[in-house]
Amino acid sequence: DIQMTQSPSSLSASVGDSVTITCRASQSITTYLNWYQKKPGEAPKLLIYTAYSLQSGAPSRFSGSASGTDFTLSISSLQPEDSATYYCQQSYTIPRTFGQGTKVEIK
Amino acid sequence: EVQLVESGGGLVKPGGSLRLSCAGSGFTFSNAWMSWVRQTPGKGLEWLGRIKSTATGGAIDYAAPVKGRFTISRDDSENTMYLQMNSLEIEDTGVYHCTTDNSLGTFDDWGQGSLVTVSS
Repeated sequence: DIQMTQSPSSLSASVGDSVTITCRASQSITTYLNWYQKKPGEAPKLLIYTAYSLQSGAPSRFSGSASGTDFTLSISSLQPEDSATYYCQQSYTIPRTFGQGTKVEIK
Repeated sequence: EVQLVESGGGLVKPGGSLRLSCAGSGFTFSNAWMSWVRQTPGKGLEWLGRIKSTATGGAIDYAAPVKGRFTISRDDSENTMYLQMNSLEIEDTGVYHCTTDNSLGTFDDWGQGSLVTVSS
């Protein structure tokens, strides 16, 4: 199975800050990497697909990038409603696997 | 608007069984590939398995931790997918979501989830 490792496991930042979350795959997944936002009591939401593409309806302050087996989710200007846990997920092969999540808190 | 609604969760003893349902609307269910994903306290989000559309063969794939214990099926006449869970373990406790599973392997639409608690 492909292992997905996220870092950091949690972070705290202020409104307006830029934030970056990293996800590393244990082997090549080309750009089959997706990002989800999960808030307590809500269903996860797809934010970014195939590493770079912004899902319809997701705010433009979210962006994704890739370099080899390393992927990043960036939030350009953190908003209060961005307080959530973010997960990466590879869709290169079965079984689909997720990172362990990064909890983003607002100071 | 796509809607997915899970039902059937509850409290069950270790070794017991439970069947979850996922009712879909707002899209052509029979053409959809569907997955089950759970969120557990210890492991975050975990993919459990996928069923392809009947038109593309209806093949089913499972994650290793549930293979042989869980069974995914679908009834396109009822726009419903099922997850039969047998030999439940305490570690299976969590919220179970059904999702659409799209051509890029993304989970675009999710249900709100059904809580399963395995406890003696």
